[in-house]
Amino acid sequence: GESVGLHLPTLSVQEGDNSIINCAYSNSASDYFIWYKQESGKGPQFIIDIRSNMDKRQGQRVTVLLNKTVKHLSLQIAATQPGDSAVYFCAENMEGTYKYIFGTGTRLKVLA
Amino acid sequence: EAQVTQNPRYLITVTGKKLTVTCSQNMNHEYMSWYRQDPGLGLRQIYYSMNVEVTDKGDVPEGYKVSRKEKRNFPLILESPSPNQTSLYFCASSLRQGKWAFFGQGTRLTVV
Repeated sequence: GESVGLHLPTLSVQEGDNSIINCAYSNSASDYFIWYKQESGKGPQFIIDIRSNMDKRQGQRVTVLLNKTVKHLSLQIAATQPGDSAVYFCAENMEGTYKYIFGTGTRLKVLA
Repeated sequence: EAQVTQNPRYLITVTGKKLTVTCSQNMNHEYMSWYRQDPGLGLRQIYYSMNVEVTDKGDVPEGYKVSRKEKRNFPLILESPSPNQTSLYFCASSLRQGKWAFFGQGTRLTVV
């Protein structure tokens, strides 16, 4: 598969446990955020997004938390499954601009 | 099935030989974009397009050209490829500005 990050931080979790992946964003003016999942050999896959007027947003088995005070974003995956193994990265955007800043990501390994 | 299709998936070429990477989406999206992904770096935007015949530079446009003659296609052109353009390239499309929800499978380009 494609190697997009040779030395990414890695999070290893047991199957069935919850996972928390963190992202520190850079621009205090950013007001829209996206989490992506990228499996080996594939393009990024949109997971969930959140606007800065929210602190939390839930999807199916995933929750994104936003802490604007410390410019921190987290992705929580409930009951992690083998199919969740991938690189996860966040993206930030300032409304009204086309510019996105993408993080380098965290590799999630699910242990059977 | 909603998808973004890139071709080719893999390409090895020599310095200076013009090449085109095609991108096509079947969702009637107005917004399309090209990114490159390099180890240790997040996705970086090369060019984007807001509609037919409307394109603009992203963060790393040097050495690249694009065109948007029809809504579904957004080819990336390297007039004179150089080794520093060796990278993994992704095309993305979006129904609305910035919510890059659909990515292609990627094109691994090697310039020797």
